Amino acid sequence: AQKITQTQPGMFVQEKEAVTLDCTYDTSDPSYGLFWYKQPSSGEMIFLIYQGSYDQQNATEGRYSLNFQKARKSANLVISASQLGDSAMYFCAMRDWGGSEKLVFGKGTKLTVNP
Amino acid sequence: EAQVTQNPRYLITVTGKKLTVTCSQNMNHEYMSWYRQDPGLGLRQIYYSMNVEVTDKGDVPEGYKVSRKEKRNFPLILESPSPNQTSLYFCASSLLTGGMNTEAFFGQGTRLTVV
Repeated sequence: AQKITQTQPGMFVQEKEAVTLDCTYDTSDPSYGLFWYKQPSSGEMIFLIYQGSYDQQNATEGRYSLNFQKARKSANLVISASQLGDSAMYFCAMRDWGGSEKLVFGKGTKLTVNP
Repeated sequence: EAQVTQNPRYLITVTGKKLTVTCSQNMNHEYMSWYRQDPGLGLRQIYYSMNVEVTDKGDVPEGYKVSRKEKRNFPLILESPSPNQTSLYFCASSLLTGGMNTEAFFGQGTRLTVV
């Protein structure tokens, strides 16, 4: 069965600094996708970035990048130049390409950006 | 505008009173699913549907029903709600993956309280 582990319940970072949110995953399927979502205090789920299991390069989207280490089964999110508006819950998720195509979520990391 | 619309956003109800949370998407997505979010547990899938008239159980289906009579709509039904169904509920939709990036689009969430 698929599993996502986020070991950091909470993280703190100073404004303008970079921060890495950890995510490890477990799957026996060779084909999968990894996603990061942001959930601000208002509650909505915002898609940030995607990495496919066969992608050769790490994904980047603006200030977000995904440090994908396939052999270690890790997909850490790096946020550069943190802003106060980055304070939120961050969820790592994985989706397989067959079967139920379920999006499996980790338990999340609460990021607080300090001024 | 591409969106997933859930209603209501907030609901307080009493134990045993049947309720329906509606979900509608305007992106012609085949795949729709329901999640519940509880503190410390992340998001867990309740039910999913890969197309019209095709539904299946997720990880926590007990106490819930769904239907998919039209492609755009995927209502969640609680026949006899109980206090342990107090939670934040999300509807999500996406294309079926086929190995490509198919982010899930989420509704705004429904905060349900059962007293």
